[in-house]
Amino acid sequence: KQEVTQIPAALSVPEGENLVLNCSFTDSAIYNLQWFRQDPGKGLTSLLLIQSSQREQTSGRLNASLDKSSGRSTLYIAASQPGDSATYLCAVSLGGNNRLAFGKGNQVVVIP
Amino acid sequence: SQTIHQWPATLVQPVGSPLSLECTVEGTSNPNLYWYRQAAGRGLQLLFYSVGIGQISSEVPQNLSASRPQDRQFILSSKKLLLSDSGFYLCAWTRDFYEQFFGPGTRLTVL
Repeated sequence: KQEVTQIPAALSVPEGENLVLNCSFTDSAIYNLQWFRQDPGKGLTSLLLIQSSQREQTSGRLNASLDKSSGRSTLYIAASQPGDSATYLCAVSLGGNNRLAFGKGNQVVVIP
Repeated sequence: SQTIHQWPATLVQPVGSPLSLECTVEGTSNPNLYWYRQAAGRGLQLLFYSVGIGQISSEVPQNLSASRPQDRQFILSSKKLLLSDSGFYLCAWTRDFYEQFFGPGTRLTVL
């Protein structure tokens, strides 16, 4: 059974610092990995998708890396802003029909 | 562009009452559709997924059922709600192995 772990569960950083969020998964046979953002009481917003053949993806201040063999992904958010405060979720595709297994998330607070 | 809708946004139901949550997707065809539940203190759990009309796969045995009467419509149901059915229900869609997109969710409270 695929297990996804996100560490730390919660963190606070001052505005302007870079954020580093970690995700690990137990079964390296994934089709893709997706990072999401969730604001309180809201649905999930897709941030980045990394296919299994890729090593990283970038979008603006966001960069996500994938090391399939070691079962790890890292989301970097450069120059954090208070608007980056949210919960960030990592999910791996279980293959058939793109079912996703999620971690419990990193709850981030960026302090102005 | 594609959009996904869920309703209702919030729902408060007594134990033992029936449930029907609806999800519809616009702007795409033949999507894979998913129901997830997010309970307090727990991660998102996949409940059901569907690859086509009338095709439903259940991930976790439970008190709920799902149906897909039309290509872009996915319904989550229960005949009798339990307290443990409370949570935030999210519908999602995808094509093949690409990005999965989520709806705004339904907050269900069972009293």
